[in-house]
Amino acid sequence: KQEVTQIPAALSVPEGENLVLNCSFTDSAIYNLQWFRQDPGKGLTSLLLIQSSQREQTSGRLNASLDKSSGRSTLYIAASQPGDSATYLCAVRRGANNLFFGTGTRLTVIP
Amino acid sequence: ETGVTQSPTHLIKTRGQQVTLRCSSQSGHNTVSWYQQALGQGPQFIFQYYREEENGRGNFPPRFSGLQFPNYSSELNVNALELDDSALYLCASRFSPLAGDHNEQFFGPGTRLTVL
Repeated sequence: KQEVTQIPAALSVPEGENLVLNCSFTDSAIYNLQWFRQDPGKGLTSLLLIQSSQREQTSGRLNASLDKSSGRSTLYIAASQPGDSATYLCAVRRGANNLFFGTGTRLTVIP
Repeated sequence: ETGVTQSPTHLIKTRGQQVTLRCSSQSGHNTVSWYQQALGQGPQFIFQYYREEENGRGNFPPRFSGLQFPNYSSELNVNALELDDSALYLCASRFSPLAGDHNEQFFGPGTRLTVL
C-alpha cells in the first residue's frame, strides 16, 4: 500500500526566505506526482505536476524535483511572501485511478 | 474555461439522514473522482467515474455511492450518515484518453458536510 509522508508538518519562516518542503513515498511505481496548495477550508489548487520520467518542473518561484528511485520529492519556494502561507500537499498517482496524499505541511510566512 | 464547481458549499445534516453532493467537471474533462478530507488530514480517495461507470473505489462502505451523467457531471450520495462522515468532500476532474492517462487532476472548492 502506498504511503506518503510530508516533513515538516508545520513551518514558519520570515518573508523573503527560500524554503524546501519534503515529500516521501513508499512505492516507487508511480505515474506522476502533484503538488497542491490548500488555503484554510478551501479546495486544492494544483501547483506542479511531475511525470515519473521527469526529474523536475518549474513554475515561477516554485521548483519541484522528483527522485523516483529513492521515493522523494521536494518543493522549493524562492523568496517567500506572506501570500504563500497555506498548507502544501503532495500526492502520488499509482495506476489509473486515485491520488495518494500526504497530510501536508502548513507554511506560515511572517511579514 | 470554467473550472470544477461543487454544490452546495456547506451542509448540515443529522445522523441517519441521507445527503447528495454535486460536482460539475471542468470543460473537456471526462473523469471525475471524489475524495473525503477530515480535519487535519490529507484527502482520501472514495471512488472514480469514467464514461458513467465507477472504475475505481477506495476503502469506503457501500453507503457511499455515486453517479456520473452524460455531460460528465457527478453526484456523491451518502446514506445513513454517521458523525465520522463530517468532512470536506472534494471533487476532481481530468481528461482520460483511452490509453496512457497521466494527466493532471483539478479540484473543486469542496463541500463542507457537518453531521450532528
